[in-house]
Amino acid sequence: EMQLVESGGGLVRPGRSLRLSCVVSGFIFDDYAMHWVRQAPGKGLEWVAGIGWNSDNIEYADSVKGRFTISRDNAKNSLFLQMNSLKPEDTALYFCVKSTVTTGPEGWFDSWGQGTLVTVSS
Amino acid sequence: SSELTQPPSVSVSPGQTARITCSGSALTRKYGYWYQQKSGQAPVLVIYEGDKRPAGIPERFSGSFSGTLITLIISGAHVEDEGDYYCYSTNNTGYRMFGGGTRLTVL
Repeated sequence: EMQLVESGGGLVRPGRSLRLSCVVSGFIFDDYAMHWVRQAPGKGLEWVAGIGWNSDNIEYADSVKGRFTISRDNAKNSLFLQMNSLKPEDTALYFCVKSTVTTGPEGWFDSWGQGTLVTVSS
Repeated sequence: SSELTQPPSVSVSPGQTARITCSGSALTRKYGYWYQQKSGQAPVLVIYEGDKRPAGIPERFSGSFSGTLITLIISGAHVEDEGDYYCYSTNNTGYRMFGGGTRLTVL
């Protein structure tokens, strides 16, 4: 069974930083691209960032470009999201998500974690 | 266009057929996908590549697509099908996007 477990969320002041982590099991991590998708309270889903199997094809939503950095450590089956210059509108539940392809925009998301909540507030 | 448009809500009685639409110009070139999200849970894929059903998804879930429109069809909706449904696709530059979501009520 595929498992994705996020951590690192919490309450942070505007302008500060936070690093999210996701540890996976149940599949060969370095065979797949990975993504972060977020959901603001009471709102819809928003794709945030994606990374190919060997850290190629890194892409970001316009809303986080220049502030967030996605990375992965295949040896530790781990995905990360470094979030800098946080804004109140970044407040959301952040999901770690597995793609069905190794890299690139094709494919879809076939397994999701339960999410970690990030709250940006003064 | 980089948008996918869904109706905010759909309501049916148990046993009726629910249809949830998603429109966007990207859908003429790329497949559409559907995710179900129940309250407090992570999304679950219910339809992929327009009309394919993943293992474990009930047969009452199906998908159709034509031009710039994709449709999720739940034939004989159950009360447990209530939740939010999101379409997903990519545009011609590979930008990933979700529709705004449709709240399905079955009562």
